[in-house]
Amino acid sequence: DAGVIQSPRHEVTEMGQEVTLRCKPISGHDYLFWYRQTMMRGLELLIYFNNNVPIDDSGMPEDRFSAKMPNASFSTLKIQPSEPRDSAVYFCASSFTGGNQPQHFGDGTRLSIL
Amino acid sequence: GNSVTQMEGPVTLSEEAFLTINCTYTATGYPSLFWYVQYPGEGLQLLLKATKADDKGSNKGFEATYRKETTSFHLEKGSVQVSDSAVYFCALGKNTDKLIFGTGTRLQVFP
Repeated sequence: DAGVIQSPRHEVTEMGQEVTLRCKPISGHDYLFWYRQTMMRGLELLIYFNNNVPIDDSGMPEDRFSAKMPNASFSTLKIQPSEPRDSAVYFCASSFTGGNQPQHFGDGTRLSIL
Repeated sequence: GNSVTQMEGPVTLSEEAFLTINCTYTATGYPSLFWYVQYPGEGLQLLLKATKADDKGSNKGFEATYRKETTSFHLEKGSVQVSDSAVYFCALGKNTDKLIFGTGTRLQVFP
């Protein structure tokens, strides 16, 4: 079975550019989560969706960050404009309904903003 | 609120040594508990889980027992290998939709 698929795996871009990260969740999962991981702050939950609807975006750092889920098989996380402090590994995860269910993570996008 | 506390790393061991990584939690009721592992350059992978008190989760030689009386879910392995070197995350899930993760513990195993 295919797991969570993220693209690109690596992204290097200059400050001020728009960055779009993509995620395809596991088929049938109705929850999708976006995380950011850095050495300084560890693993942070940015936003999550249930049935394509954003439920909690309180972890989104600022208005430069936005996320969408137009259908059950695709989500994007966009940063515009990007800044060097946005450099991190961004993970997408999906799960079935309920906090008792494990989340399945993608391999992440390593983002470097120069 | 719900929270998870893990021992700080790194934990450094020789191959075949016994491993314990401590995890305690704060939550009302009966949450589900998880251990995830993250190998270098990869995402988190579910290692094991337990859904009720006294349950023991196990996988790949790792074990953890859900202890309600001590609110703990310590990860153990009898004989670690170099390939076990990774970061280990304890996590809690309850009625809310999201998991609460600990800060992670880095394990380094040397031959």
